Formats: sequence, C-alpha cells, structure tokens
Amino acid sequence: SAVISQKPSRDICQRGTSLTIQCQVDSQVTMMFWYRQQPGQSLTLIATANQGSEATYESGFVIDKFPISRPNLTFSTLTVSNMSPEDSSIYLCSVEMHRGGDTQYFGPGTRLTVL
Amino acid sequence: GQNIDQPTEMTATEGAIVQINCTYQTSGFNGLFWYQQHAGEAPTFLSYNVLDGLEEKGRFSSFLSRSKGYSYLLLKELQMKDSASYLCAVRLNQAGTALIFGKGTTLSVSS
Repeated sequence: SAVISQKPSRDICQRGTSLTIQCQVDSQVTMMFWYRQQPGQSLTLIATANQGSEATYESGFVIDKFPISRPNLTFSTLTVSNMSPEDSSIYLCSVEMHRGGDTQYFGPGTRLTVL
Repeated sequence: GQNIDQPTEMTATEGAIVQINCTYQTSGFNGLFWYQQHAGEAPTFLSYNVLDGLEEKGRFSSFLSRSKGYSYLLLKELQMKDSASYLCAVRLNQAGTALIFGKGTTLSVSS
C-alpha cells in the first residue's frame, strides 16, 4: 500500500477562520478523494480531487466552503473555509491503488475542532 | 438513494468467531470493501470482493453475494485488539470512483 501523510494531524481553530489540510502520497496515484467523518458517524465523501482540473464535489459540499487543489499526482490540499463548530470533524484523504483490486487506502486523518 | 446497512454494535468473547453482515441497495456495484477502524485512527483496508464467493485472508474472511446484495466479514479466533469499528463500503461505478460507506459496526471483544 502507499504511504499517505496528512498535515496537520489535529488542530483547534476559531470560528470564522480557515484551515488548509495537506495530503502527501509517496507514489503517483491517479485518484485522490477527501472524506469527512463527523463524531460517531461513518465516512462521507466531500469531493474527488482531480489533477490539473477542478475537484468534483458531492451533493451538499461546495467549492467556496471546501476548496481543493491537486497540483500533481502525489499531493492535494483541502481547505475548510469560514469554519463553524459544525465543521468539527476528522478529515481524511484517500488514494486508489491499482493493486489487488483498485483498493482505496486512507491517510491518518486530520482531527479538527472549531470553537 | 444509496442504502448500506450493518448492525450498529456486536459483542463477542476472545477466541470466538463473529460474523458482521452488510446488505446494500445501490444504483450500481463495482466492488465491496471492508475496513477496520480503531477509535481515533483512520480506516485500515481489510478486504475487497467484486465477484461472488469467499475471500480468505488469515483470521479474516469476506463473502459476497451480488444477487442478494449481501456481504459478511468473518473474524476468527477473536483477540482483544479486534475491538474496533468495521465499515462496509460499496464502490458504485468503475475503478477511480469513490466509496459509499455504511454507518459501521462497533465490535467489542471481551475476555
């Protein structure tokens, strides 16, 4: 599997501010995704990070709130903008590896708390 | 909409066998995944089924019946460290598309 790192691992932020989360993979991957896991809940897809073009967002998520960059095949960022306490969650990036069935692997996650 | 169901909680004892079921009703199907997630950690890949049948990997096995929209994860020789949430996820379309997750099953293993 790929080695996936995320920065920061956790943060506590004030309402109204923005936080950018980085996801770095140790090998080139075609597909990268961003998920959110709210407390006690399962994972919800935010968007697919497309290399060289705009991200594809799921229903309920918009670019103004969650801008995403994907400048190359090993790196992506997710920004949580104008944060509110409802944005407190774990944010995870995942990558798809074409080994053993196009499996998706997850980064360690970023635990965000908004006060 | 997409629907993936699994039991919320299960309990078992060390050394036992437990089966976690997952049923799905989705607009498409291109593979079912099982992940393990310990509290405060990211999900870890366990298994992947795209064809009917049983896939065995050590103490863990996963089964799929596409006609029934049904899968299960079988954990043998349970250990305390197996206490975790187990997430069932379906990929709707071709490789390169994201996963839809069930709400997860929290398994508690006691001695």
